[in-house]
Amino acid sequence: SQQGEEDPQALSIQEGENATMNCSYKTSINNLQWYRQNSGRGLVHLILIRSNEREKHSGRLRVTLDTSKKSSSLLITASRAADTASYFCATDATDSGNTPLVFGKGTRLSVIA
Amino acid sequence: KAGVTQTPRYLIKTRGQQVTLSCSPISGHRSVSWYQQTPGQGLQFLFEYFSETQRNKGNFPGRFSGRQFSNSRSEMNVSTLELGDSALYLCASSRRGHYEQYFGPGTRLTVT
Repeated sequence: SQQGEEDPQALSIQEGENATMNCSYKTSINNLQWYRQNSGRGLVHLILIRSNEREKHSGRLRVTLDTSKKSSSLLITASRAADTASYFCATDATDSGNTPLVFGKGTRLSVIA
Repeated sequence: KAGVTQTPRYLIKTRGQQVTLSCSPISGHRSVSWYQQTPGQGLQFLFEYFSETQRNKGNFPGRFSGRQFSNSRSEMNVSTLELGDSALYLCASSRRGHYEQYFGPGTRLTVT
């Protein structure tokens, strides 16, 4: 069963605009990660936010985490056509490293040039 | 460092056959996880291996099995293939104590 659920399922924006994707999860977590997947290929790790962090930045990416609402958001600023991909949140709910990640079904982002 | 490699990249099999997929992790990564990705179910965890031992297993039937070798390379096997096994099978490796996973390009399995 999916732990994380992304919203929206699909998003289409113009190049240069910001894209915001949301993720909700059900149980307590240690970490939440975001991954990107280009069409039919492997996933690429984008960013990890720990349960005791509220916000994290990496380049044009900004992730927030609200553990009281069990939700996270991923903001991509000044989007580019190359950002077109599916974005997944993934959570692990146990207390040790290398535990299985549980992925949401993803948000499909289309950035139109 | 070379990334995670998976072979073969594409595979077409017939119902009832069996298949073996291979994954070579990033050098120094001893943990390997396998996932099945389908349009309907999304990404689902199959199993995880560390130092040749299965540490976690997802909710899949016994037809799905795997193993890890002493050089950390891993294989997964699916026996008695069903049409519903058609999917992208992804392998990921990670370092001990680190949560980030590094994925291979996947093996696209089509069962006819």
